[in-house]
Amino acid sequence: AQSVTQLDSQVPVFEEAPVELRCNYSSSVSVYLFWYVQYPNQGLQLLLKYLSGSTLVKGINGFEAEFNKSQTSFHLRKPSVHISDTAEYFCAVSDVGFQKLVFGTGTRLLVSP
Amino acid sequence: NAGVTQTPKFRVLKTGQSMTLLCAQDMNHEYMYWYRQDPGMGLRLIHYSVGEGTTAKGEVPDGYNVSRLKKQNFLLGLESAAPSQTSVYFCASSQQGAGGYTFGSGTRLTVV
Repeated sequence: AQSVTQLDSQVPVFEEAPVELRCNYSSSVSVYLFWYVQYPNQGLQLLLKYLSGSTLVKGINGFEAEFNKSQTSFHLRKPSVHISDTAEYFCAVSDVGFQKLVFGTGTRLLVSP
Repeated sequence: NAGVTQTPKFRVLKTGQSMTLLCAQDMNHEYMYWYRQDPGMGLRLIHYSVGEGTTAKGEVPDGYNVSRLKKQNFLLGLESAAPSQTSVYFCASSQQGAGGYTFGSGTRLTVV
């Protein structure tokens, strides 16, 4: 079975600063990895996904993530955040059979002026 | 617009009452899911379906039942609501493969 750990429950950052949201996963088989964003009172939207190939994945809104198999990590990064990036971010994993996703507990990104 | 529609958006139930949450998708997706979201716990899978007429248990299935009689609909039932079922419920759908989920906007359920 897969599991996901998001160590940071909340990350405060100033506008235009870089940010990294950490995600580590556990699995005995090959995996697919995802990042989702949830704005207040909304559902989740897909930011980016890693299925295979290049370990650096680019997503929407200037976000990117790097898959590191040896460290079982899939950290999310953005070089310069905006106020509008304030949201909750969820990392998720599935096995390559992709019947279901397992989500982490989420990281709340708080961007202040 | 294509997507996943959940009804109702809000509901307050008394302990012991029953209700059904409806999820409808118009993307011809094979897979559908029900998750609950609680503070500090992320999203936990309740039940899911990999095709019309099929259902399977997820991580937290107790107290819930589901049905997938039509490909486009996935119903979540609470037979006897308990305060522990106070949560935000999300439905999602996906195509076979790893395209990712499309989520509904959620149902906020309060059991008093």
